[in-house]
Amino acid sequence: DTEVTQTPKHLVMGMTNKKSLKCEQHMGHRAMYWYKQKAKKPPELMFVYSYEKLSINESVPSRFSPECPNSSLLNLHLHALQPEDSALYLCASSQGWGVRDYYGYTFGSGTRLTVV
Amino acid sequence: QQPVQSPQAVILREGEDAVINCSSSKALYSVHWYRQKHGEAPVFLMILLKGGEQKGHDKISASFNEKKQQSSLYLTASQLSYSGTYFCGTEIPTSGTYKYIFGTGTRLKVLA
Repeated sequence: DTEVTQTPKHLVMGMTNKKSLKCEQHMGHRAMYWYKQKAKKPPELMFVYSYEKLSINESVPSRFSPECPNSSLLNLHLHALQPEDSALYLCASSQGWGVRDYYGYTFGSGTRLTVV
Repeated sequence: QQPVQSPQAVILREGEDAVINCSSSKALYSVHWYRQKHGEAPVFLMILLKGGEQKGHDKISASFNEKKQQSSLYLTASQLSYSGTYFCGTEIPTSGTYKYIFGTGTRLKVLA
């Protein structure tokens, strides 16, 4: 299995809702990531988990809460989002984290989030 | 710190060649290249680690200059399937560790 699976593919939520994005990989990768991508822009790093521990939080607002229940799963809990948070949210994984990751990152196809 | 790519966009006819550049004001630890088609995930193409390195597969290759401040992606005899947005990416040291960031992106469209 060489895929990163993200669910749901599309999500519309109100500003008072609570929702979660899910990401799963079975490649034995030990690093997992959340990226946010606006239209016609490069992905922007949000969070890095390495060996199930949060290693980097790119000063992301607390309305985004990541969780890594085990080495294969990564969640992103959403609460009280703003319309400007509407974007494509990408999950990725890699064998390791940091330099010398020869195989690059494997990305999921993303969740397209719309906040109304 | 974000690598800057050029050109921002390019349109080609099938069979034509293209070069996409990725530049940084500081030496890069490594360079990854990705292609992202509209509505899809970025797909890893290759990684370059050493100054002066060149590598490639099929008709897509890349180089990393000696000073490790510029990488170029070469697309030869382009095919319709090459259309998409190309990103370079690199690891940036931060707070005793590294974070991975993407370049500004180059939109490539190949016409029949």
